[in-house]
Amino acid sequence: KAGVTQTPRYLIKTRGQQVTLSCSPISGHRSVSWYQQTPGQGLQFLFEYFSETQRNKGNFPGRFSGRQFSNSRSEMNVSTLELGDSALYLCASSFTSGGTEAFFGQGTRLTVV
Amino acid sequence: KNEVEQSPQNLTAQEGEFITINCSYSVGISALHWLQQHPGGGIVSLFMLSSGKKKHGRLIATINIQEKHSSLHITASHPRHSAVYICAGYGGATNKLIFGTGTLLAVQP
Repeated sequence: KAGVTQTPRYLIKTRGQQVTLSCSPISGHRSVSWYQQTPGQGLQFLFEYFSETQRNKGNFPGRFSGRQFSNSRSEMNVSTLELGDSALYLCASSFTSGGTEAFFGQGTRLTVV
Repeated sequence: KNEVEQSPQNLTAQEGEFITINCSYSVGISALHWLQQHPGGGIVSLFMLSSGKKKHGRLIATINIQEKHSSLHITASHPRHSAVYICAGYGGATNKLIFGTGTLLAVQP
């Protein structure tokens, strides 16, 4: 059974640009959560999608958005990139929402220059 | 004060030693996760606990709901256990994972 796949693995963008990251969950999983990891703040929750609906959102500005498709694949978008957005972005999939076992992808390392 | 606290932040051990990493939380949670992160970023979910104890190989996780405390033990540690270990509580009221700051473990041969 394939794991959680995140693409791309590495990305370099310039301040002011926008970026879209993709996450394909484990087959059959309907919940996808996104996290940001930085050396200073550690792991922080961005948002969770379940059956194409955003279930919960963390404390991030509106520049961070996401969506989920009918096949449960999810994308997150960051607009007007800032240097501080440089981070490892991780997604995790679960069978259902609500604290069930989560399976993480390898992450996308975003560098904003 | 973080809602999920881990200790120690850094730990160096000799191969074969028994290791304990602690996690305390101040919020109500419905489940606690222990995660392992190797250099390069990938995170592996080790355990999800809501009560009692779970064991997998040389790893044992326990949780005490009344004391709001969980521990991750590694019996007979090995260099392959070198990684960052992160505990995370799933807040039933907030419906999101709240992470500890992680424990960097280095096991020397």
